[in-house]
Amino acid sequence: DQQVKQNSPSLSVQEGRISILNCDYTNSMFDYFLWYKKYPAEGPTFLISISSIKDKNEDGRFTVFLNKSAKHLSLHIVPSQPGDSAVYFCAASNGNKLVFGAGTILRVKS
Amino acid sequence: NAGVTQTPKFQVLKTGQSMTLQCAQDMNHEYMSWYRQDPGMGLRLIHYSVGAGITDQGEVPNGYNVSRSTTEDFPLRLLSAAPSQTSVYFCASRITGQGGYYEQYFGPGTRLTVT
Repeated sequence: DQQVKQNSPSLSVQEGRISILNCDYTNSMFDYFLWYKKYPAEGPTFLISISSIKDKNEDGRFTVFLNKSAKHLSLHIVPSQPGDSAVYFCAASNGNKLVFGAGTILRVKS
Repeated sequence: NAGVTQTPKFQVLKTGQSMTLQCAQDMNHEYMSWYRQDPGMGLRLIHYSVGAGITDQGEVPNGYNVSRSTTEDFPLRLLSAAPSQTSVYFCASRITGQGGYYEQYFGPGTRLTVT
């Protein structure tokens, strides 16, 4: 029973364009939502988070949108750069536990 | 600061063998956790600890033991390795507090193969 789902295993985008990564969740008790980025042979690194009481959070090129009624969040990267190529994990916080999605591989082509 | 360190980086075990994956952090974080990453499944929480002497189970605790005798260290023990435990293991830590989310810092991972 996956509480956090990333339905797109991969995404390919041209450099300079927008990348949109999507995530759906089922548990309405999650209080924070996060995005992590992971390069091969490294641990995940935190990218951006959003509280369940907000609908948007922005940090430079990265913006996360939360639609609670649809139980959906998305990460927008504008403009996309080749260095953004990585696996992106959506995660949701439930007290002391973090639940991760399966990840989306983003490839940014130059 | 070294951050979160994990040893070993790679390990091959035979079925039935035991071993301990080491994790240490030098950021004085109260909260530490272990995850395993498998293809198509993201990261799944194995065990976590909110402070020295306190541990609790995550999503997939079976076959693993933990203890937390110091703030810095949080070892993960495999008592009798099984092929299903072949995975990449990540340790993470963060501060604990009220009123917000606190970023988790992950170690570089241990790639374990059980034959």
